[in-house]
Amino acid sequence: AQKITQTQPGMFVQEKEAVTLDCTYDTSDPSYGLFWYKQPSSGEMIFLIYQGSYDQQNATEGRYSLNFQKARKSANLVISASQLGDSAMYFCAMRDSGAGSYQLTFGKGTKLSVIP
Amino acid sequence: AAGVIQSPRHLIKEKRETATLKCYPIPRHDTVYWYQQGPGQDPQFLISFYEKMQSDKGSIPDRFSAQQFSDYHSELNMSSLELGDSALYFCASSRRDRGFGTQYFGPGTRLLVL
Repeated sequence: AQKITQTQPGMFVQEKEAVTLDCTYDTSDPSYGLFWYKQPSSGEMIFLIYQGSYDQQNATEGRYSLNFQKARKSANLVISASQLGDSAMYFCAMRDSGAGSYQLTFGKGTKLSVIP
Repeated sequence: AAGVIQSPRHLIKEKRETATLKCYPIPRHDTVYWYQQGPGQDPQFLISFYEKMQSDKGSIPDRFSAQQFSDYHSELNMSSLELGDSALYFCASSRRDRGFGTQYFGPGTRLLVL
């Protein structure tokens, strides 16, 4: 069963506007971590932000924030003041601690295009 | 800050050949992971090592093997290469006691099998 769902294959945003990329997840483990990665066309996988299931506050890292709604099992990435360099593929990923596994399970990704 | 190093960055092989990919994790990271990302796909977990011992195994073909050495670098060995093995191979490293084990990825090795 798919653990991470990203329903937006592609998104467009005007430069300097904010954009929200959706991510829902499924786990029965009470302890888990949610991660967002950015993959530009050059191919590297860049870590952006992390949220732990027991964290009381939503994570923020510069222009990135994570809108974590535990009851709805969603962990949406918000990018404020979009820049042209934000054009990339964005992956949501989860690690739950089931069976002591540390591997990441990724969603299918959302391709973000920033328009000048 | 030091990042994960992968070599080579690009590799072209013929079918049935072998390939060896190398990974040098971030210093003081205790876990190394290998992922495979096919064209237009999300990364798929292959295998991981914690303190030089294999810890998790994902969808790694039997033709592939991996190990982690005493200096913590890791190698992914791929034999009898098939066209479907053409992909971007990532190595990632983490410290299990930080940020729920946040994984930092290397730049990847782009493998093309002809």
